[in-house]
Amino acid sequence: IVLTQSPGTLSLSPGERATLSCRASQSVSSDYLAWYQQRRGQAPRLLIYAASTRTSATPDRFSGSGSGTDFTLTISRLEPEDFAVYYCQQYGSSKGGMFGQGTKVEMK
Amino acid sequence: VQLQESGPRLVKPSDSLTLKCTVSDTPLSRAFYWGWIRQPPGKGLEWIGSIYHSGNSYYNPSLESRVTISVDSPNTEFSLTLSSVTAADTAVYYCAGILGTAAHLEDFWGQGILVTVSS
Repeated sequence: IVLTQSPGTLSLSPGERATLSCRASQSVSSDYLAWYQQRRGQAPRLLIYAASTRTSATPDRFSGSGSGTDFTLTISRLEPEDFAVYYCQQYGSSKGGMFGQGTKVEMK
Repeated sequence: VQLQESGPRLVKPSDSLTLKCTVSDTPLSRAFYWGWIRQPPGKGLEWIGSIYHSGNSYYNPSLESRVTISVDSPNTEFSLTLSSVTAADTAVYYCAGILGTAAHLEDFWGQGILVTVSS
């Protein structure tokens, strides 16, 4: 399964809403779709798993949705620390662990 | 929970690369899965492979013929071996632990280790 993220780069201002897309080449179980954030110079951090469940450390301005082949990560109001690269990933035993190519959210 | 990668930072082309991930403050049995991920300089994340609590390992198809992930020591270490390396294998290599159950996950990562393949 290939995960394609769009757009490649999103230029927004603090306080704006960000909508990131992850499209799969074939249907993905929503039980095993994750979103990660990677800030510059840091290891990735799990934000969302099972397509829509936030980790205990993820602020509630982050939300995930979708099913089948189309998934979305939404950041309701961008904070300065949210400018980073975001990756979607399919996980779960025989499903592998491939990442999308990433979406960079940059400050406008 | 802490993870720490260790291993060579410079490897010659055609050699094998072995990295270890030492896990502190949790038994390996607690993980949903343990994994290795790499990131070539300036590029995105690439999943290398994962080993699950069942003991089964799964690998990126593009690397599968060259990769082995195994648990080396009960409750303390898991490792990555990548054979026949080339310059394309130059990357920051991360080990990660995804702990919990499918319904409640949390992640822990090493700080990453930059491995350069060069003669």
